[in-house]
Amino acid sequence: DGGITQSPKYLFRKEGQNVTLSCEQNLNHDAMYWYRQDPGQGLRLIYYSQIVNDFQKGDIAEGYSVSREKKESFPLTVTSAQKNPTAFYLCASSWDRYYGYTFGSGTRLTVV
Amino acid sequence: RKEVEQDPGPFNVPEGATVAFNCTYSNSASQSFFWYRQDCRKEPKLLMSVYSSGNEDGRFTAQLNRASQYISLLIRDSKLSDSATYLCVVNRGTGNQFYFGTGTSLTVIP
Repeated sequence: DGGITQSPKYLFRKEGQNVTLSCEQNLNHDAMYWYRQDPGQGLRLIYYSQIVNDFQKGDIAEGYSVSREKKESFPLTVTSAQKNPTAFYLCASSWDRYYGYTFGSGTRLTVV
Repeated sequence: RKEVEQDPGPFNVPEGATVAFNCTYSNSASQSFFWYRQDCRKEPKLLMSVYSSGNEDGRFTAQLNRASQYISLLIRDSKLSDSATYLCVVNRGTGNQFYFGTGTSLTVIP
């Protein structure tokens, strides 16, 4: 079955540490996205990529980095510069604006 | 003004009730609209797209009013399994990025 796989499901980060969240899709979608969700808030766009080897900052890119070396993969690195990284991170992909998103099951990141 | 605004609720309704959610958006250039459902601690899942002509899927009806820039979701004959948070999603007008509302919480009570 086609879909988006995010791993790990839960991740614990120590202060000052960089961590990388994995996102893989086999839907053949060109566009991929990373969102962050905090309690009581809507999803906020971190980064997005419309094609391989190209990506754009979203609304809250500071402290994050991404790469898009393959169509199927869009990993997100949460760097030590991100001061409040504890959140639910969601990866999504889409055909175009008329079909909406398909989401992965998310990664819950906690700073310890 | 937020790009997408929803009443956060919570809406607590008895089984069998009809409940309606509204959502307003600020970008008049937005071209596509969706309702997503999100269960607790899970990812959002597409419930239905919203078209100008309105669309229905079983007990769910979605409407779009471009002139007033709002969309609505009507749930008839509520089931316990409808308990979730409903997210209003609007595209940003150009490109494939979307704005998400903060969600409306629904609890259906036996």
